[in-house]
Amino acid sequence: EADIYQTPRYLVIGTGKKITLECSQTMGHDKMYWYQQDPGMELHLIHYSYGVNSTEKGDLSSESTVSRIRTEHFPLTLESARPSHTSQYLCASSGRFRLAGGTQYFGPGTRLLVL
Amino acid sequence: GDSVTQMEGPVTLSEEAFLTINCTYTATGYPSLFWYVQYPGEGLQLLLKATKADDKGSNKGFEATYRKETTSFHLEKGSVQVSDSAVYFCALQNQGGSEKLVFGKGTKLTVNP
Repeated sequence: EADIYQTPRYLVIGTGKKITLECSQTMGHDKMYWYQQDPGMELHLIHYSYGVNSTEKGDLSSESTVSRIRTEHFPLTLESARPSHTSQYLCASSGRFRLAGGTQYFGPGTRLLVL
Repeated sequence: GDSVTQMEGPVTLSEEAFLTINCTYTATGYPSLFWYVQYPGEGLQLLLKATKADDKGSNKGFEATYRKETTSFHLEKGSVQVSDSAVYFCALQNQGGSEKLVFGKGTKLTVNP
């Protein structure tokens, strides 16, 4: 059973607000990821991290930013939310590829609605 | 680039019917292949995986075999239950770099009693 947590689970917020989506894992995984899932169900990588102080942008351009100050924590921030940011955000983590097969474990997701 | 093509849904079956969801992939190298399941209002759960050609992944009555010659990883279950109703995602992962998952578009399965 994977131990990866996301808060809040649901968030309704007005345009222009700053929001931070939290993601934490207790498995000591090096790699962490953020995926955006659009209403049509497609999943796209928006950010990832190899470890502490490492962050990279993913395939889908996103106005969000991320930080990795601690191994277990990988928050995502939107400085000014817009309706186009309405989506589900899924956080995932994985251990080292050779040791753990690179399997990614997902949190329950945050469903964001920007009015 | 790497890509996954997955059978489009939605798929509606009666309980105890046989399930197949087709998945084919395009990738460089030798990717690992996965099936994830997403129940309503939840995140993704790993259903099964295979890391090399001819491997069979299995879990909860679901099976999929990594076929390199046909670049496929079709999901099958002999007898579906109402509780199997969910969205199923096929995905691949290449070693090295970000090791990101490349997902298919998902197939929504509804099983009726």
